[in-house]
Amino acid sequence: DGGITQSPKYLFRKEGQNVTLSCEQNLNHDAMYWYRQDPGQGLRLIYYSQIVNDFQKGDIAEGYSVSREKKESFPLTVTSAQKNPTAFYLCASKQGPLDGYTFGSGTRLTVV
Amino acid sequence: AQSVTQPDIHITVSEGASLELRCNYSYGATPYLFWYVQSPGQGLQLLLKYFSGDTLVQGIKGFEAEFKRSQSSFNLRKPSVHWSDAAEYFCAVVGGSNYKLTFGKGTLLTVNP
Repeated sequence: DGGITQSPKYLFRKEGQNVTLSCEQNLNHDAMYWYRQDPGQGLRLIYYSQIVNDFQKGDIAEGYSVSREKKESFPLTVTSAQKNPTAFYLCASKQGPLDGYTFGSGTRLTVV
Repeated sequence: AQSVTQPDIHITVSEGASLELRCNYSYGATPYLFWYVQSPGQGLQLLLKYFSGDTLVQGIKGFEAEFKRSQSSFNLRKPSVHWSDAAEYFCAVVGGSNYKLTFGKGTLLTVNP
């Protein structure tokens, strides 16, 4: 079945460490997105990529970095510069400009 | 820039009762609108979408939504709620030069037995 796989489902990180969240899709979608979800704040866009080797900052990109070396993969690195990294992170993709997103099942990151 | 407002943070209904979740959007051109549902700890699932044409759209799980341009609304409805409908619901609009989705802050639905 086609879909988006996020791993790991749960991730614990010590303060001061960088951590990378994986997002892989086999839908052949061009565009991919990373959102952060906090209680009561909805989904906020971190980064997005419309084609391979290109990506743009979203609304809350500070403290995060991404790469898009392959169409299938869009990993997100949460750096030590991100002041409040504890959150639920969602990856999504879509094919056409007006298509709805397909979401992964998310990664819950906790800083300890 | 486009925006979405979901006025109700939390709604509680009894099982078998009807449901209406409100969504208001702000967008200068023809809006493309979506409703998503999220179970706890999971990703979002698309319920339905509106692009053009008939203003009443049918979705999965027995949901429907009505687009009202005059009221800038896209409310989600279900005639009879089931306990399994308890979840968080997000309204979204796509727009802008990059066709990004902008989400509302969500409405949490609790279903009482």
